[in-house]
Amino acid sequence: DIVMTQSPDSLAVSLGERATIDCKSSQSLLYSNNKNYLAWYQQKPGHPPKMLIYWASTRESGVPDRFSGSGSGTDFTLTISSLQAEDVALYYCQQYYSGPYSFGQGTRLEIK
Amino acid sequence: QVQLRESGPGLVKPSETLSLTCTVSGGSINNYYWIWIRQPPGKGLEFIGYVYYTGRTSYNPSLKSRITISIETSKNQFSLKLTSVTAADTAVYYCARLGEDGDGYFPLWGQGAQVTVSS
Repeated sequence: DIVMTQSPDSLAVSLGERATIDCKSSQSLLYSNNKNYLAWYQQKPGHPPKMLIYWASTRESGVPDRFSGSGSGTDFTLTISSLQAEDVALYYCQQYYSGPYSFGQGTRLEIK
Repeated sequence: QVQLRESGPGLVKPSETLSLTCTVSGGSINNYYWIWIRQPPGKGLEFIGYVYYTGRTSYNPSLKSRITISIETSKNQFSLKLTSVTAADTAVYYCARLGEDGDGYFPLWGQGAQVTVSS
């Protein structure tokens, strides 16, 4: 099974500043079609996760462009370019390269 | 737009069977993969398994011996049964849908159903 590890576990960033969350997979998520099988989600208390990014860097429709995903192979990053108050949440990465699909442990993002 | 809603008992006794149903509204259940995911209190997300509209299934090996996921296309519903539950099965259970073409990301989620295992 593929193990996903996020860092840090929690992060405090000032409003308007950049926030970055890293995700490492135990094996490469890059398939022969040159796509990375990785997604990012945002979860606010009492709500289901909301998909932000898929294929490692494709933003889901309606997601603000301050959210971006990058990386390839085993190392990936979610970047929020200018933190807004509504971005306070838990963030998860998820691999769908092979079953069973698996998630990182989550990163809690707060305002400094 | 397509919406998912989980339903079922919120309290299950230890050793009994947890049963949940997900109702798909605003669109057809056909031609998609449908998933169950759970989140224990204060913890992360765990993939349980999926069912294709044809009835083909795939389960997380860690739960495979206790899981059955089924689909009723005529009712636009799919279901989860988890047998021999323990307190460790207490969680919010989400139903969700895989991406277009069966790509394994989850763009659509239900609101979740809290299930507590307790006598």
